[in-house]
Amino acid sequence: EIVMTQSPATLSVSPGERATLSCRASQSVSSNLAWYQQKPGQAPRLLIYGASTRATGLPARFSGSGSGTEFTLTISSLQSEDFAVYYCQQYNNWPRPWTFGQGTKVEIK
Amino acid sequence: QVQLVESGGGLVKPGGSLRLSCAASGFTFSDYYMSWIRQAPGKGLEWVSYISSSNNYTNYADSVKGRFTISRDNAKNSLYLQMNSLRAEDTAVYYCASFRMPPPDYWGQGTLVTVSS
Repeated sequence: EIVMTQSPATLSVSPGERATLSCRASQSVSSNLAWYQQKPGQAPRLLIYGASTRATGLPARFSGSGSGTEFTLTISSLQSEDFAVYYCQQYNNWPRPWTFGQGTKVEIK
Repeated sequence: QVQLVESGGGLVKPGGSLRLSCAASGFTFSDYYMSWIRQAPGKGLEWVSYISSSNNYTNYADSVKGRFTISRDNAKNSLYLQMNSLRAEDTAVYYCASFRMPPPDYWGQGTLVTVSS
């Protein structure tokens, strides 16, 4: 099983500042990496797929990068609605099983 | 618009069974793969199972293999998860999700399954 490790567990950021979230895979997943945002009491929302492609309607302040085993989600200027938990997910070698990272909570500093 | 609505969750004793349903609307259900993904209280996301659009391929996480069965009825635009031999560690919110190719882009709001005596 491919293990996904996210860091940090919690990120304290002031509104308007930049947030950088990391996700590492235990083996290469090529660019088969997605990012989700989850707010309390809500279902996850797909943000990024293919490591760097924004989902329809996603603001340009969100960007994804990386390939192989190292990936980054960057939020260039945090807005109040961006405070949430973010998960990465690998879907390499579909239809082999998917795995998720443990999440990074982005909180208000 | 795309809607996925889960139902069937509730409280069940260890060793018991439960059947979850997911009603789909707003898209051509038979063209999409479907998946179940769960989230234990206060924890992260765990993929459970998926099924092909034409019902001829399924896959399961090791943690549920042999106990859970995914199925679908394309005529009823519905997805199901039959859960048997339930354990305390199966307690979670269960989400259904749809996709043509991964990752899943539409998710339901989830249904809570609690396994407790």
